[in-house]
Amino acid sequence: KAGVTQTPRYLIKTRGQQVTLSCSPISGHRSVSWYQQTPGQGLQFLFEYFSETQRNKGNFPGRFSGRQFSNSRSEMNVSTLELGDSALYLCASSLDPDTQYFGPGTRLTVL
Amino acid sequence: AQKITQTQPGMFVQEKEAVTLDCTYDTSDQSYGLFWYKQPSSGEMIFLIYQGSYDEQNATEGRYSLNFQKARKSANLVISASQLGDSAMYFCAMAPRRTSYGKLTFGQGTILTVHP
Repeated sequence: KAGVTQTPRYLIKTRGQQVTLSCSPISGHRSVSWYQQTPGQGLQFLFEYFSETQRNKGNFPGRFSGRQFSNSRSEMNVSTLELGDSALYLCASSLDPDTQYFGPGTRLTVL
Repeated sequence: AQKITQTQPGMFVQEKEAVTLDCTYDTSDQSYGLFWYKQPSSGEMIFLIYQGSYDEQNATEGRYSLNFQKARKSANLVISASQLGDSAMYFCAMAPRRTSYGKLTFGQGTILTVHP
């Protein structure tokens, strides 16, 4: 069974631009969560989508948004990029409370 | 709210020896899950082991075992027979087992270095 995939793997943007990251969960998994990892703040929860509905949201500004499609694939968007948005963005998919599998991540650099 | 504390920023172990990575947690949920992940320098989060709060037996997965002490709110990871490839960052995490189960709370991590 294929694992969680994330595209692109690496991204370089400049301040003020926007970016869209994509995550394809494991087949059959309906929950997709997004996390931001930085050296200073560690791993922080962004949001979770379940069956195309946002089920949970972390404490991030409105510039961070996401959505989930009917095939469970999810995208997250960051508008008006800031230098502090440089991070590793990780996506996880879940079938049930006992499973949380992560993708390889997208490393975003904002210049 | 949930909180995970990993008090060991770094740990060193000799190859083939066992090592314990500490994790304590705090939550008001009655039903929750505890996870351990390994993150090598490549950045990918690799699932190691899971323990449900109502599981009576400690979880084991190959060389990994989870020492779950519910009354003390601790969920330590034990790696037996360490290998050089075990050198990585290790994260303890938890999530409620209700409708918010996709929301993991992570600790700050422990860097494990395995010496030959």
